[in-house]
Amino acid sequence: DGGITQSPKYLFRKEGQNVTLSCEQNLNHDAMYWYRQDPGQGLRLIYYSQIVNDFQKGDIAEGYSVSREKKESFPLTVTSAQKNPTAFYLCATRSRFSISYEQYFGPGTRLTVT
Amino acid sequence: QKEVEQNSGPLSVPEGAIASLNCTYSDRVSQSFFWYRQYSGKSPELIMSIYSNGDKEDGRFTAQLNKASQYVSLLIRDSQPSDSATYLCAVTIQGAQKLVFGQGTRLTINP
Repeated sequence: DGGITQSPKYLFRKEGQNVTLSCEQNLNHDAMYWYRQDPGQGLRLIYYSQIVNDFQKGDIAEGYSVSREKKESFPLTVTSAQKNPTAFYLCATRSRFSISYEQYFGPGTRLTVT
Repeated sequence: QKEVEQNSGPLSVPEGAIASLNCTYSDRVSQSFFWYRQYSGKSPELIMSIYSNGDKEDGRFTAQLNKASQYVSLLIRDSQPSDSATYLCAVTIQGAQKLVFGQGTRLTINP
């Protein structure tokens, strides 16, 4: 069963705690992305990675960290330094060799920090 | 000026009519343009992509691109209640490494 999986679907944390969101894919896509979506808003790019062991900051990277040790996995850590972490987090992938540059999304993780 | 702008709506259209969604973008070198549909509480789903000026049709959906005027639109013919969703416009930047999204237009199809 191919696709992108994100876990958990819902996550609750206390303020001041770090939390790691999982994103796994078996599409053999090279590029992976993390976005954040707030109510009534579009998607904002947090981090992205074009290849293993390399990643770049997006538009709102402060308070977040990532790693890309395997092609299939791109976990996102929301640190206590992120001032307003409650949001819907979306992982996306893209084939590096796709001429169309389309990105495909996982089901998302809804994080609530109180 | 935002890189990608959409009318946030809500846009209300009667069932069976044509829904027209618009998007403008600021980067003249953008080459790829996408429309995603997002149902409430779900992740975005790619429904159309367009790369050259003109129209591209796929079933009830037609994407229109005008690079000179820097706008892209999505037409939904014979609108159905199941088309009720938020539609996100996305545009490539920086050599297509990144997508920039508009804030989305909420569309409601009234039976």
